[in-house]
Amino acid sequence: EPEVTQTPSHQVTQMGQEVILRCVPISNHLYFYWYRQILGQKVEFLVSFYNNEISEKSEIFDDQFSVERPDGSNFTLKIRSTKLEDSAMYFCASSPLLGTDTQYFGPGTRLTVL
Amino acid sequence: GESVGLHLPTLSVQEGDNSIINCAYSNSASDYFIWYKQESGKGPQFIIDIRSNMDKRQGQRVTVLLNKTVKHLSLQIAATQPGDSAVYFCAEINQGGKLIFGQGTELSVKP
Repeated sequence: EPEVTQTPSHQVTQMGQEVILRCVPISNHLYFYWYRQILGQKVEFLVSFYNNEISEKSEIFDDQFSVERPDGSNFTLKIRSTKLEDSAMYFCASSPLLGTDTQYFGPGTRLTVL
Repeated sequence: GESVGLHLPTLSVQEGDNSIINCAYSNSASDYFIWYKQESGKGPQFIIDIRSNMDKRQGQRVTVLLNKTVKHLSLQIAATQPGDSAVYFCAEINQGGKLIFGQGTELSVKP
């Protein structure tokens, strides 16, 4: 069964450093998403992406965040200058269709900012 | 505004019993809801969904009930097993495809 994959599984970085989190969505899916989950809290939407453009973003997704689909398979989330409060699990998800179809989640990347 | 919430943060059941996890939502225009299961250290896993033109949907050992009048949905798990132990989230999808998650209920199954 096709799966969303994410790398790395755990990323430790110093405050102020840039990090890139990588995702490989399911191959025939057209819509891609990033969510984050701070320890013990609910999953929060960050951004949705379609046709090489951001479709929607949350208030969390400020100028420090960016997303890119650099090739036909990868989908990345970049945080330019990490803050302590960026420490969280980051989940990538993909779906075949927008809004009307289920989103499938990857296993997540645990980001720890020191 | 948009919010999806759960009634109880934890639920403990005996193996073999039925489990019921509840969820309330605030947006009466919401028309698509999903239940996700999240095991420790893993991403949310789709369990079952329901659209607003239905009030009940059944899967394998799971049933979702939707009451639009009181903006409430529930997840029923029949014959709960130890492998069902996880955090369960209800979520709604807005028209833009954004998932709005509730806080989650942690289900513990006692052998």
